[in-house]
Amino acid sequence: DTGVSQDPRHKITKRGQNVTFRCDPISEHNRLYWYRQTLGQGPEFLTYFQNEAQLEKSRLLSDRFSAERPKGSFSTLEIQRTEQGDSAMYLCASSSRKGANEKLFFGSGTQLSVL
Amino acid sequence: GQQLNQSPQSMFIQEGEDVSMNCTSSSIFNTWLWYKQDPGEGPVLLIALYKAGELTSNGRLTAQFGITRKDSFLNISASIPSDVGIYFCAGQIGSGNTGKLIFGQGTTLQVKP
Repeated sequence: DTGVSQDPRHKITKRGQNVTFRCDPISEHNRLYWYRQTLGQGPEFLTYFQNEAQLEKSRLLSDRFSAERPKGSFSTLEIQRTEQGDSAMYLCASSSRKGANEKLFFGSGTQLSVL
Repeated sequence: GQQLNQSPQSMFIQEGEDVSMNCTSSSIFNTWLWYKQDPGEGPVLLIALYKAGELTSNGRLTAQFGITRKDSFLNISASIPSDVGIYFCAGQIGSGNTGKLIFGQGTTLQVKP
């Protein structure tokens, strides 16, 4: 059983550079979520997709952030003109809905450090 | 905005001891979830609670959904070294039944062998 896969696991970049992360969800899951987690805090919701449609975006997702899920399978999260405050763990999760309940399965995350 | 207050922030216990942690909110939630996170990894779901008053067990873990729907607790019995990690409570927010969650700040658990 393949879990949620994220790539890369770690990314170090200089301020002002663009970065892109990839998430491959569990194959039969149609919903995909992005969360951000800073040190000492719980994850914070950024956005989610149902199939290829982006259904909701948090106010945390500034216009420098863009997420896509073009074919309803893998997703990418791009951050343009990175700032030091973007340093965080970016977590992807996918879910399947059984009955009325939904369970999220998280990947191992991409740790971003902006110098 | 909605917030989850999780306590205690950290615990240092002896192997074999029981552990209890809780989560409170000023808002009502329809779903409470408990996750465990190891360093450098994503959170792993431990227990999901869907009904007020529900008491659910998963091995040595037991969690309850408060009657008021504003709180939940997690108990770990007979702790072992691999219980070490950060435990997060989470509540489902927004309309509809989605995976849009709000997380507490976590309880860091350390177990001394």
